[in-house]
Parts: sequence; C-alpha cells; structure tokens
Amino acid sequence: EAGVVQSPRYKIIEKKQPVAFWCNPISGHNTLYWYLQNLGQGPELLIRYENEEAVDDSQLPKDRFSAERLKGVDSTLKIQPAELGDSAVYLCASSFQTGRPAPLHFGNGTRLTVT
Amino acid sequence: GQQLNQSPQSMFIQEGEDVSMNCTSSSIFNTWLWYKQDPGEGPVLLIALYKAGELTSNGRLTAQFGITRKDSFLNISASIPSDVGIYFCAGSVSGTYKYIFGTGTRLKVLA
Repeated sequence: EAGVVQSPRYKIIEKKQPVAFWCNPISGHNTLYWYLQNLGQGPELLIRYENEEAVDDSQLPKDRFSAERLKGVDSTLKIQPAELGDSAVYLCASSFQTGRPAPLHFGNGTRLTVT
Repeated sequence: GQQLNQSPQSMFIQEGEDVSMNCTSSSIFNTWLWYKQDPGEGPVLLIALYKAGELTSNGRLTAQFGITRKDSFLNISASIPSDVGIYFCAGSVSGTYKYIFGTGTRLKVLA
C-alpha cells in the first residue's frame, strides 16, 4: 500500500509570509495527525482528526496556525504569518482507529525554514 | 509540549554489541510503540505493544511493555551499522488515541 504522502518536502520562506503543507494519508485511514518536530526532539502533537472532525487541537497555536481535513481524507496545515521559531519539520501521520489504539504511520515530513 | 523521558540520550557502541534503551512516563499507557527515524525521513514503526508485561520481537529487536504500564524497553541484539539512527518511544494515554513521544535515543554503531 502507498504510504503517507506529504508535500512539499522542503520550504524556505521569509518571516511574516504564509505557508501551507499538504498531507495525503494511507487509503482508508480514518485518523490523521499533524506533529511538529524540532531539531533533536521527538514529535509533538499539533492536531488530531477523526474523519473530518478535529478532536484534539489543544496544542495548535490558533492565532497563526490552522488546519482542515475536507471530506475526511487529505489535510492541509497552514501558518500565517510565519515566525522564525516555526522552523521545524512538520510530520503528518495516519492510522485506522477502531477500538484499541492503532500504530501511527508517518510521512517523510516537510522541513520548514523561516528566515 | 509533553514528552516522555528516554534513556540514554545517545549511545556509541561497537558493531555486534547488544543495545538497551528505555522510556518512562508519569501516566499509565495502554499502548506503547517504538519507532526508528533516519535523517530526513519520518519515523518508521518497529514494534507495537498492547498489554502490560507483553514481550514482542521483530528480528533482532525485542520490546517489552512494563508491568507498571508506565515504562517500556527496547533491546537490539548484535547491532549492525544500519541500526544507526534515532529511536523514539510513544505511548497512548488510556482511553484516547493520542500518542505522546519520547525525547529519543541516538544510536551510533562503530564498525
């Protein structure tokens, strides 16, 4: 099966500019996650979707970050305006949750550099 | 954000040696996952654990779900150069599908 696809792989922008990341999860996976990974650290959850509903966005900085998962498949994560501290890798993951928590499958991430 | 404690932070070992690392939490988890991440790539699932005391192997890798449900362990036997990378644990809080990741253990293997 095809894995989680993310684009772009790399993005360099100037501060105060907007940026968007796209994620296509594994076909049939009902749960989608966006994680932030700073250099040398583990992934930290930004938002989790069950189908098209955002069920956990408590860690998403809502003043500048937004996300959507239209039709419960693809998802986009947007930052507007970007700040220097947003430089990091943004990882998307998906899983098929039915009862017992299922493992997450990750894409290769988008590396964002804000200058 | 919240992260789990992993130990050790980094390891330098000789090829052929065995490796042990662990992950601890202040919360009770009902699922533990272990991932490996290579530079420029996303984490790749190695082992999933679902029951306290469970011991699961995947080739040279063996992981255990701690009986307190607050820790997990990963062992790699007879390490090889391609074992180099960062190993992350992740735990799911009971009753949720939310996974919290550890701080990572960086493994370097000397040939």
